[in-house]
Amino acid sequence: GQQLNQSPQSMFIQEGEDVSMNCTSSSIFNTWLWYKQEPGEGPVLLIALYKAGELTSNGRLTAQFGITRKDSFLNISASIPSDVGIYFCAGLITQGGSEKLVFGKGTKLTVNP
Amino acid sequence: NAGVTQTPKFRILKIGQSMTLQCTQDMNHNYMYWYRQDPGMGLKLIYYSVGAGITDKGEVPNGYNVSRSTTEDFPLRLELAAPSQTSVYFCASSHGGAGYGYTFGSGTRLTVV
Repeated sequence: GQQLNQSPQSMFIQEGEDVSMNCTSSSIFNTWLWYKQEPGEGPVLLIALYKAGELTSNGRLTAQFGITRKDSFLNISASIPSDVGIYFCAGLITQGGSEKLVFGKGTKLTVNP
Repeated sequence: NAGVTQTPKFRILKIGQSMTLQCTQDMNHNYMYWYRQDPGMGLKLIYYSVGAGITDKGEVPNGYNVSRSTTEDFPLRLELAAPSQTSVYFCASSHGGAGYGYTFGSGTRLTVV
């Protein structure tokens, strides 16, 4: 089945640093989504990407849909303590007429003040 | 705005017991989903529904059942709880299918002992 390889698994950074994480796959995806999950809560959608090559920003967050449609990255600029959480990528495929969202295993971000 | 509401937040079950995880949404979304999240493993789809009266299996449906008698409610039933079902369960909904992003509930942490 389709798998997403999300890296890194975890990151420990200082406040103010920039962060970069990515997802890769051997499969082609039609849509890429990035979510953030805080402790004890469900994931919250950060950014959605719908076209190959698309670059989208949401405040200090920037995400890109890879040209090959097999990868995506998320950058966070000037990190702050509230950026702490687990970031998930998710890719959308269509199989047999139904849509399926495949999730990466997450990148756990720790920000030291 | 309640969004997606899950109950209970925590539950401990003994092996062989049954329980129903409740999920309700007030956004009039047609699409609803149940995921389980195991540490370091991302989110795995258990069951989903594209509208009242319609349900379908996801990646890991064994040991679970669902029903969708109304647009608002999508309960998940565990008939004979097993230790392998210890996990955090998330319900999600979407107005237009997986590609539009999900609204997640805050989760139910289930322990089977």
